[in-house]
Amino acid sequence: AQSVTQLGSHVSVSEGALVLLRCNYSSSVPPYLFWYVQYPNQGLQLLLKYTSAATLVKGINGFEAEFKKSETSFHLTKPSAHMSDAAEYFCAVTTDGGGGYNKLIFGAGTRLAVHP
Amino acid sequence: GAGVSQSPSNKVTEKGKDVELRCDPISGHTALYWYRQSLGQGLEFLIYFQGNSAPDKSGLPSDRFSAERTGGSVSTLTIQRTQQEDSAVYLCASSYRTGGFTEAFFGQGTRLTVV
Repeated sequence: AQSVTQLGSHVSVSEGALVLLRCNYSSSVPPYLFWYVQYPNQGLQLLLKYTSAATLVKGINGFEAEFKKSETSFHLTKPSAHMSDAAEYFCAVTTDGGGGYNKLIFGAGTRLAVHP
Repeated sequence: GAGVSQSPSNKVTEKGKDVELRCDPISGHTALYWYRQSLGQGLEFLIYFQGNSAPDKSGLPSDRFSAERTGGSVSTLTIQRTQQEDSAVYLCASSYRTGGFTEAFFGQGTRLTVV
């Protein structure tokens, strides 16, 4: 079975500062990893995904994440925070199970606040 | 349609009543997921469909919860004898499998309030 742990339910940064949102996963087989963002009163939107093609993945809005197998991590970063980045961020994991079955498991989420 | 559609968008029901929540996935998507998002909580996995079959029902909170999918398309999540703790946003997502996992597209959710 797979699982996801997001460290820090709330993160607050200043505008222009580095954003770092942490995600650690557990999986007995090679994982697929995702970061989703949820803006207030909206649905979830994919930021980026890791599917083994490259360990450093670039997504929308200047976000990127690096897959580190040795650390079982997939942390999300952005060099310079904008006010518009304030949202809730979810890390998710799935695997390509036998017979093509899988399920998508999410972490508890990290709420990012950006202050002037 | 262009995206995942959920209905109703909001539902207020009295404790003890049954409710049905509907999800129309993106055409051609074979995988369909239901999640529950309670206030201040993450996304709780409920159930997953591959086609019409549900390989994993482990997330359903109790036997009051059931879900079905017909024709490999529309899915209905039914909650019987609703309780106040069932109040949450219920999210549906779909994805298209082509031999490897692709991203899940989410609907806007159904906000359920049990009074």
